[in-house]
Amino acid sequence: SQQGEEDPQALSIQEGENATMNCSYKTSINNLQWYRQNSGRGLVHLILIRSNEREKHSGRLRVTLDTSKKSSSLLITASRAADTASYFCAAAYSGGSNYKLTFGKGTLLTVNP
Amino acid sequence: DAMVIQNPRYQVTQFGKPVTLSCSQTLNHNVMYWYQQKSSQAPKLLFHYYDKDFNNEADTPDNFQSRRPNTSFCFLDIRSPGLGDAAMYLCATSHLQTGIRSQPQHFGDGTRLSIL
Repeated sequence: SQQGEEDPQALSIQEGENATMNCSYKTSINNLQWYRQNSGRGLVHLILIRSNEREKHSGRLRVTLDTSKKSSSLLITASRAADTASYFCAAAYSGGSNYKLTFGKGTLLTVNP
Repeated sequence: DAMVIQNPRYQVTQFGKPVTLSCSQTLNHNVMYWYQQKSSQAPKLLFHYYDKDFNNEADTPDNFQSRRPNTSFCFLDIRSPGLGDAAMYLCATSHLQTGIRSQPQHFGDGTRLSIL
């Protein structure tokens, strides 16, 4: 299986704190994407980082990619209660259909008011 | 707003009774995907259509089939649902363009399927 791993599986923090989630993947990628899923809802795309990029920002989100370690991290700064959700990384692997994604197992983030 | 719509949001069926889940999109995207997601797990790709070309994942059970009659609609058919098929089923779309590698996927809110 090419499914990646994310850690931690669950993270509980206080509002205003930063949250960091990590993701590892198996083989070379075209890009890595992060998604958010509120309970009982579909996934929402947050950010895409290409294999030749090392860092990307979007609002309070910062994503890094280390292709030598086959890992990525998602940092949410100044977290809010509304950030409570599951966060998934998804790898678009090189070769074959690069428009297919393999999702990690996700991190459940709880932000306490 | 352009979007991906799944109906119904909740579906209950009986063990062994065929069921069809539907997905429509107003994004005019050329790729449509079906995922199965069980509780606290990652979404698992079942199959996808690139335009009219159907692509099945190797480990998708034969019990699951799909139809895409036109660009906007895609259906997931479960011929004889078993208890293990209870899950959230997510439809997603993306648009592939020549020279552009990979695009984000846009998801519907899913259909939660229960089997009695």
